[in-house]
This record gives sequence, structure tokens and C-alpha cells, in this order.
Amino acid sequence: GENVEQHPSTLSVQEGDSAVIKCTYSDSASNYFPWYKQELGKRPQLIIDIRSNVGEKKDQRIAVTLNKTAKHFSLHITETQPEDSAVYFCAASFPGNQFYFGTGTSLTVIP
Amino acid sequence: GAGVSQSPSNKVTEKGKDVELRCDPISGHTALYWYRQSLGQGLEFLIYFQGNSAPDKSGLPSDRFSAERTGGSVSTLTIQRTQQEDSAVYLCASSLAGAGDTQYFGPGTRLTVL
Repeated sequence: GENVEQHPSTLSVQEGDSAVIKCTYSDSASNYFPWYKQELGKRPQLIIDIRSNVGEKKDQRIAVTLNKTAKHFSLHITETQPEDSAVYFCAASFPGNQFYFGTGTSLTVIP
Repeated sequence: GAGVSQSPSNKVTEKGKDVELRCDPISGHTALYWYRQSLGQGLEFLIYFQGNSAPDKSGLPSDRFSAERTGGSVSTLTIQRTQQEDSAVYLCASSLAGAGDTQYFGPGTRLTVL
């Protein structure tokens, strides 16, 4: 089955700096890659996703890049703000199969 | 429209008792997932329902855990003879047509086994 690895497990950045979280996956059949943000005590919420037919997607300060050849995808947050502090999960899936989640990255933005 | 709902929001039970956790997916969503999240940990996949297909039960940790989905909508996760290690937040999620579609999470049920 699919195996998703996520790095780093913890990340601290100064407010205004960029944060990058990386994930790798093993199953070349995976074609959908969402990112979730989970604030303390709350449910995971989708922040951005990408499908295998594109290499990059951007939404304001958040972007995701996908390299299908290398089987890795990354989340980029620019101009970080304290409210970006949360745990971020990547995932990979393909139709007919479950979602495989990474182990999470705890991001702290220091004011 | 209404999102995914779960009940109860909190459940405290004694070791050895059975518990039932309920999930109401978004109307029209054919796929439903159950996850377990221990404190400070990631999302542990438990079971996945897709339409009328046989569920993917590969994540259930033991035969004390079971789940069903009646009429392709509401799902119930049952834990028999609960153990202290079952204490966690149980999250349900649904998506329109299965993996490959956006997954929406419910608020979770926090289970505490004393």
C-alpha cells in the first residue's frame, strides 16, 4: 500500500518568514494530494490540494508543488503569521482507495 | 449546508464497557472514513466505506472494533470491551465520491476509558 512520509515533525519560524513542509509518497498511482491544517482541539481542515495533472497551485500565501517523477510534494507558506501556528498534515490518495496521511508537522510562528 | 456531524462530542466510559460512536456525513457524500487520533499524534486510519462496496477494514486495530453504515448514510463505530488504550479522539470524514475528492472532517468524539 501507499506510504507517506512527512518532514520536519516540528518547525519554528519567525513571523514574516517562509515555512516549507515536505512529503514523499510511494505509490505512483496516487493522484490527489491534499494538505490539512489542524489547530489545537479542532478538526483538520483542508487548506489546499493538488492533483497530478498540475505541478503547482497557489492560494494567496499558500502554495503546493508536486513532483510526480520524484514522488514528492511540498507545502509553502509565505509571510507567516502567528495564526498559521498549527499542525499540518499531508495526504495522498487515488480513486477507490483510502487517504494515506503523513505524521504531521507542528508549525510555530514566533511573533 | 450542514457539515459532518458526530455524536456524542465526549464519552467517558469504564474499562470493559461497549461504546457506540455516530457519524452523520454530508448529504450526498458516498464515501465515509473513520480515523483515530491520540493526543498529539497523527491520524490513524480505521475504516473506509465507499458506496455499496465492501468496506476497507484494514485499519481496524482489533476485532473489538467494528463499524457499519446503514443506507449509505449514517455510520456507527462500535468498540467492544473498551480498554484504556482506546482513549482518543475518533474523527469521521466524508467525501463526495471517494478518495480523490475533498475530504471533510467532523468535530470528533473524545473517548475516555477509565
